[in-house]
Order: sequence, then structure tokens, then C-alpha cells
Amino acid sequence: EDQVTQSPEALRLQEGESSSLNCSYTVSGLRGLFWYRQDPGKGPEFLFTLYSAGEEKEKERLKATLTKKESFLHITAPKPEDSATYLCAVRGTDKLIFGTGTRLQVFP
Amino acid sequence: GAVVSQHPSWVICKSGTSVKIECRSLDFQATTMFWYRQFPKQSLMLMATSNEGSKATYEQGVEKDKFLINHASLTLSTLTVTSAHPEDSSFYICSASRAEYEQYFGPGTRLTVT
Repeated sequence: EDQVTQSPEALRLQEGESSSLNCSYTVSGLRGLFWYRQDPGKGPEFLFTLYSAGEEKEKERLKATLTKKESFLHITAPKPEDSATYLCAVRGTDKLIFGTGTRLQVFP
Repeated sequence: GAVVSQHPSWVICKSGTSVKIECRSLDFQATTMFWYRQFPKQSLMLMATSNEGSKATYEQGVEKDKFLINHASLTLSTLTVTSAHPEDSSFYICSASRAEYEQYFGPGTRLTVT
């Protein structure tokens, strides 16, 4: 059964304190791993798609990496506006399977 | 690009009434649209997948007679919650697929049934 596990559930960082979020997955035939950002009361905002092990993508302070078993979302020198829930999802044979997310809070 | 809208953003209705939620892809044609449900502090759960002009495919455990989905065009899908009950109160989110595997999400609709 396809499964996605994200850790930690919650993360509190001081502004400028870099860290990483983890997404572990098991899926038969990976057809993409997706990272989304979700603010309270809003729909997920697309960040990255990764398709194969070794692939990396960057956007501003965020960098996503992928191995055969997990993905990391690295946040470099975060700012308070980076506070949100970060969702990881994988696509196997037919649909997206979402993790429960990591709630990130960045304090000034 | 890849903007998806939902209307309304929030709705309150009485138990037993029906509510329709619209999902539109504003700047692209979406061959496939998806409807999700999200409970507080939980992840998104796929309810159904719809392709333009054909019947929706519902996930196991989702009542197709209660959650009616219509995908009338390449830019519009609707979800109607029929005979709503308090347990149907939730955050409903649609998404639209432009490329084969990428999905773009709407802002969500908060439904409260009293």
C-alpha cells in the first residue's frame, strides 16, 4: 500500500535558523513526489515536483531533494513569512497520496 | 499561470439542505479535476476524480449519491453535497490537472452544517 510519512509534525525555528523537513514514502512505481505549502484556511500552493532519485529543485529559501525512499525540504535562513504547513505527496499508479504535513513556525 | 478558484469560500447551511461548490481553472484547460476533503490538522483525503464529460470516479467509502460531481467543461467542475448533515462539515478543496501529474489547488470552501 502506498504510504507517506512526514516528520516532524511540528517545527519551531528562530528566524535565520536553517532546518530540514522529511518525507518518507513507499510507493509502487513513483510517478512524482510533490511538495506543497498550505496556509491556514487555504488550499495547498504548489512548490516542487521531483521525479527521480538525485533530483534537486530550489526556489528562494527552499530546496527539495529526493532519494529512493525519502525527500527532504531544506529551509535556509527562514523568515516568519515561511510559517505554514508543508505537505508532501506522492503519486503512484493513479492518485496523489498526501502526508499529514509539518507545521512550521518561524519566530522573529 | 495555473490558477484555480472555488466559490463560495465559505458556506453555512441547515441540516437537510443541499449545497453546491464550484471549482474553476481560470487560465488553463483542465482535463481532470479532483475533489478533496480536509479535517482540522489532518491531511487531504481524495473524494473523487472527474474528467470532462464523463462520470466521476469515487474513492472507496465516499457516497456518490451524497456527493454529486459534475464536470461540465474543461474549466468547471461542481460538487453538490445533498441532504447535508453536521458530519459533512469540513474543508472541501478542489484541484485541477494541467500536466499529467501536476495538480493545482483551489483556495478551499469551508462548509458548516447546522
